[in-house]
Amino acid sequence: EVRLVQSGAEVKKPGATVKISCKASGYTFSDYHIHWVQQAPGKGLEWMGLVDPEKGDSVYAENLQGRVTITADTSTNTAYMELSSLISADTAVYYCAAGLGIFDYWGQGTLLTVSS
Amino acid sequence: EIVLTQSPATLSLSPGERATLSCRASQIISFNYLAWYRQKPGQAPRLLIYAASTRATGIPDRFSGSGSGTDFTITISRLEPEDFAVYYCQQHSTYPFTFGQGTKLEI
Repeated sequence: EVRLVQSGAEVKKPGATVKISCKASGYTFSDYHIHWVQQAPGKGLEWMGLVDPEKGDSVYAENLQGRVTITADTSTNTAYMELSSLISADTAVYYCAAGLGIFDYWGQGTLLTVSS
Repeated sequence: EIVLTQSPATLSLSPGERATLSCRASQIISFNYLAWYRQKPGQAPRLLIYAASTRATGIPDRFSGSGSGTDFTITISRLEPEDFAVYYCQQHSTYPFTFGQGTKLEI
């Protein structure tokens, strides 16, 4: 069974940095890209970027360039999403998802609250 | 970036009825790389359809997808109680991958 298990909820102050993890199991980690998707409260889904665990390459949404870093550790089958210079608008649930372009499998989501 | 516009924003139907949801792209989606997801409250989205018309594993045949180019549709032939949720289309032909704004299917 494919599982993506994300780290727990976070509360951060404006200007801080957060790093959320996504541990994969049940498949060969390098077979799928890991994507990150943001969902603000009551809003839709926004693609943030992806990492190719096999090559280590990442692609980011333009509006997050410079603030987001997505990485993968093949020794632990874990992907990470780091978001810096946090603002209140970054308050959202963050999902990791595995797939090749489509999002076949999803993590349970991690709630990030940015508040002073 | 490819902008996806879903319609209607909200669709009110009853169990057993047929639902048709639309997704229009601002430019042609190559290879029909268009997927549909259903998101129930408090849950992660679930993949329903990919490549415009292929059902994902475990998805019942009451779900069907169609379309090509810039216009796509998902049809739910007989609504079950669990189908009342928000539906999103998503394109993966061009970076950045983008989602539509969602259609809420309500009773």
